[in-house]
Amino acid sequence: QTVVTQEPSLTVSPGGTVTLTCASSTGAVTSSYYPNWFQQKPGQAPRALIYSTSKKHSWTPVRFSGSLLGGKAALTLSGVQPEDEAEYYCLLYYGSAQTWVFGGGTKVTVL
Amino acid sequence: EVQLVESGGGLVQPGGSLRVSCAASGFIFSTYWMVWFRQTPGRGLEWVGNIKPDGSEKNYVDSVRGRFTISRDNARTSVFLQMNSLRAEDTAIYYCARGIYADYGADFWGQGTMVTVSS
Repeated sequence: QTVVTQEPSLTVSPGGTVTLTCASSTGAVTSSYYPNWFQQKPGQAPRALIYSTSKKHSWTPVRFSGSLLGGKAALTLSGVQPEDEAEYYCLLYYGSAQTWVFGGGTKVTVL
Repeated sequence: EVQLVESGGGLVQPGGSLRVSCAASGFIFSTYWMVWFRQTPGRGLEWVGNIKPDGSEKNYVDSVRGRFTISRDNARTSVFLQMNSLRAEDTAIYYCARGIYADYGADFWGQGTMVTVSS
């Protein structure tokens, strides 16, 4: 069974920078996994932020960026705002099985 | 404005069936993959499956394959999730989402519909 792993929680100061990562149990994450990132706040549906590793949606704030880092997918928040406090999920595509797998989520606290 | 509105959730007994629907508007429905996700407090977010624009290809997570069926009606701009042989572990909020055009992932999500499997 494929497992996608994220940091359970991270804390960042307002105005600071934080990087979330997303690892696959199958090995290094590459662009062929088409990493997606979603933000979810309590009581709301997830909101898409990043797709295909680093592409932004029209509504994605400039301070959010996606990349590959050390064999993992990464989401970097630069100049963190209080409203960025949320749960963040990555989603990876496994083409051989034509399935998608979510990570367990990272709770980002702005403190 | 893209809108996705799920409906049909509710309480069902183990072993029972339920069909949830997702009404789409604000985009050319027949040109997009559509996706179903679910979320539980204990197991987080899970991809359930997806369906090609013309309905000719469907993919499912292992845990629902053979029990759940995704279908769509492009004339009614709706996508459906038929759930049979329901189990307690299928209890979740079910979200439909739009696939990203000519790329991989999901962009717009509905607000979800709650499905509870319990006796």
